[in-house]
Amino acid sequence: EAQVTQNPRYLITVTGKKLTVTCSQNMNHEYMSWYRQDPGLGLRQIYYSMNVEVTDKGDVPEGYKVSRKEKRNFPLILESPSPNQTSLYFCASSYDRDTGELFFGEGSRLTVL
Amino acid sequence: KNEVEQSPQNLTAQEGEFITINCSYSVGISALHWLQQHPGGGIVSLFMLSSGKKKHGRLIATINIQEKHSSLHITASHPRDSAVYICAVKDYGGSQGNLIFGKGTKLSVKP
Repeated sequence: EAQVTQNPRYLITVTGKKLTVTCSQNMNHEYMSWYRQDPGLGLRQIYYSMNVEVTDKGDVPEGYKVSRKEKRNFPLILESPSPNQTSLYFCASSYDRDTGELFFGEGSRLTVL
Repeated sequence: KNEVEQSPQNLTAQEGEFITINCSYSVGISALHWLQQHPGGGIVSLFMLSSGKKKHGRLIATINIQEKHSSLHITASHPRDSAVYICAVKDYGGSQGNLIFGKGTKLSVKP
């Protein structure tokens, strides 16, 4: 079954404790991306990757890092989480950046105390 | 920056009604996506358009590139269509790979 898998789905953590949200897709997609969703602000792009070892910033990259060492995985790293990073996070992938249908993960709800 | 505007923000309909959700954008685009998000959070891609019209079941999406406008229509609406519908555009002139989202239209279909 074609899918994008995120883990963890729910996480409560404390300020400053490094965490990683994993994202994996099984469709051999080139394009992967991370978004955060906040009430009143909608979805905003954090980082995206066009292919292995190719990543770029979206609209709200501050406080986040990503890596794309393998085609299937695109982890989101919060080196020193802060309360303003409390949000619902989505990973998505598509065959290519311009015309491919987007496939979303189920979301990861992160709370930073 | 409000490069993608959706209307209405909220919409309540009776089961069976024809529904239209609008999306206007101010940038040149290479593609437009319509997404559906049900309560509970999961997001599903409904359509991706670069021109013309697409139909899937009771859903129809159209795009007018010259007018920078897209519409999502739902025929014979049903309570299970209750969700947030989100428009997103791939900015042709912007950072490669960057998507810009509208804030969504919350649809509630009453039985």
